[in-house]
Amino acid sequence: DIQMTQSPSTLSASVGDRVTITCRASQNIKKLLAWYQRKPGTAPKLLVYQASNLEGGVPSRFSGSGFGAEFTLTISSLQPDDFATYFCQQYSGYPFTFGQGTTLEIK
Amino acid sequence: QAQLVESGGGLVKPGGSLRLSCAASGLSFSDYYISWIRQAPGKGLEWISYIDTSGTYTNYADSVKGRFSISRDNDKKSVFLQMNGLRGDDTAVYYCTGGRTSWGYSDSWGQGILVTVSS
Repeated sequence: DIQMTQSPSTLSASVGDRVTITCRASQNIKKLLAWYQRKPGTAPKLLVYQASNLEGGVPSRFSGSGFGAEFTLTISSLQPDDFATYFCQQYSGYPFTFGQGTTLEIK
Repeated sequence: QAQLVESGGGLVKPGGSLRLSCAASGLSFSDYYISWIRQAPGKGLEWISYIDTSGTYTNYADSVKGRFSISRDNDKKSVFLQMNGLRGDDTAVYYCTGGRTSWGYSDSWGQGILVTVSS
């Protein structure tokens, strides 16, 4: 199985900060990676697919990059609504696997 | 507004069976590729099953292969997960998720439903 290692597990930041979350795959997954946002009590929301394609309706302050085995999700200027948990998913091969998640907290 | 709603969860004894249902609305269901994903208490997300738009192709995680079966009824806009031989480590919140492409990422998620396997 392809292992996905996400870092950091927790990130403290302030409104207006630029933050980056990293996801590393245990093998080459090309660009077959998605990022999701999850808030308590709500269904996860797709943010980015194919590593860098922004899902419709997602604010442009979110961006994804990477290829192969290392990927990043960047939020250019944190907004209050962005404090949530973020996780990555590879869909290069079965079984699809997920990162363990990054909780973005208010500093 | 696309919506996926799971039902059929609950408490079941080890070795028992449950059938989860996922009802879709607000999306072109027959065009959506569906996965079931679960999260056990204190654990990360685990993909467990996938079905294509026609129901012809399915795939399963090794942890559920031979015990779980995914199917769909496009006329009823529903997907089902038949779970047999349930074990304690199947205890989890089960999410029905859908993708508008066959790639494997999910652009729609249900709220999840709890399945507890315990005597």
